[in-house]
Amino acid sequence: EAQVTQNPRYLITVTGKKLTVTCSQNMNHEYMSWYRQDPGLGLRQIYYSMNVEVTDKGDVPEGYKVSRKEKRNFPLILESPSPNQTSLYFCASSLKGDTMNYEQYFGPGTRLTVT
Amino acid sequence: KNEVEQSPQNLTAQEGEFITINCSYSVGISALHWLQQHPGGGIVSLFMLSSGKKKHGRLIATINIQEKHSSLHITASHPRDSAVYICAVRWSGGGADGLTFGKGTHLIIQP
Repeated sequence: EAQVTQNPRYLITVTGKKLTVTCSQNMNHEYMSWYRQDPGLGLRQIYYSMNVEVTDKGDVPEGYKVSRKEKRNFPLILESPSPNQTSLYFCASSLKGDTMNYEQYFGPGTRLTVT
Repeated sequence: KNEVEQSPQNLTAQEGEFITINCSYSVGISALHWLQQHPGGGIVSLFMLSSGKKKHGRLIATINIQEKHSSLHITASHPRDSAVYICAVRWSGGGADGLTFGKGTHLIIQP
């Protein structure tokens, strides 16, 4: 089954404790992206990757890191999480990213709480 | 800053009604997406448009490039259509290669 998976689905952590949210897709998609969703603000892009070893900042990259060592995986790293990073996170992928004229496939979301 | 505006923010209707959700954007785009977010949180892609009109079942999406406006219509609405509908665009003028999202329209269809 074609899908984007994220782990963990729910996470409660404390300020400053490094964490990684994994994202994997099995569709051989070139483009992958991370978004956060907050009440009243909607979805906002954190980082995206046009292909392996190619990543770039989105609209709200502060406090996050990503890597794209393999085509299928795009982990989101919070080196020192803070309470303002409490949010619902989505990973997404599409076949290519150069025109965005391709369907976006979203993961199930990761609900992160930082205390 | 380039923006995507959706209206209405909230919409409650009776089963069977014809539903229209609107999306306006500020500058030129290369693509517009309509997404559906279920009460459980999952997001699915409904349509991707760069011009004209698309139809899938009871859902119809249209876009007017000159007026910078898109609409999502639901015919013969059903309670299972209750969800948040999100419009997203890719700007054509450069900048970060990603999507900018509207804040969503929360739709409730009552039986």
